[in-house]
Amino acid sequence: SYELTQPPSVSVSPGQTASITCSGDKLEDKYVSWYQQKPGQSPVVVIYHDNKRPSGIPERFSGSNSGNTATLTISGTQAMDEADYYCQVWDTSPLVVFGGGTKLTVL
Amino acid sequence: QVQLQESGPGLVKPSETLSLTCTVSGGSITSSTYYWAWIRQPPGEGLEWIGSIYYTGSSYYKPSLKSRATMSVDTSKNQFSLNLRSVTAADTAVYYCARQPLEWLDYWGQGALVTVSS
Repeated sequence: SYELTQPPSVSVSPGQTASITCSGDKLEDKYVSWYQQKPGQSPVVVIYHDNKRPSGIPERFSGSNSGNTATLTISGTQAMDEADYYCQVWDTSPLVVFGGGTKLTVL
Repeated sequence: QVQLQESGPGLVKPSETLSLTCTVSGGSITSSTYYWAWIRQPPGEGLEWIGSIYYTGSSYYKPSLKSRATMSVDTSKNQFSLNLRSVTAADTAVYYCARQPLEWLDYWGQGALVTVSS
């Protein structure tokens, strides 16, 4: 079965750029989505179809996907961006696959 | 604005069946554009997809759960449901329902905590 690998944690200083990676075999051939989950809340999609932002998501969130790695980039990171982030792809069948999640700490 | 709401027992005994329903408001479950998905999250762990169902009843499951999980749709009530049989403590989790425009999940319910314990 298809697997997605994320770093368990990423730290960033306020105002700096945070990059969270997601790795998978030939990932560029699939659409990648990213979800933000704050403690006690449901996940919220911040990026879909590799690099599209849903309505209401700040422009500081962007995404890319090339080769075997997709990246969620948060520019000018704010304290409110501290959360867990999950990547996700849609494989054949159809199936939904999530990465293990990355805890973003803003300090 | 589409809203999804999970409902069902918060406590299930081991070996019994976990049953949850997701009520969709602000949109029709019979829309041809969407699947409807169940996802769970054990305490302190990551997200796990359980399965997705189309309004016609066509359904897809995570292989490791396929033998125990059954989903259904009730278009008259704009609801879809999940049954998970023979539960154990490992099935304790927050269960989410979500709308799935195929490749991604755009609207999520607030989640329902289900504890498996005697």
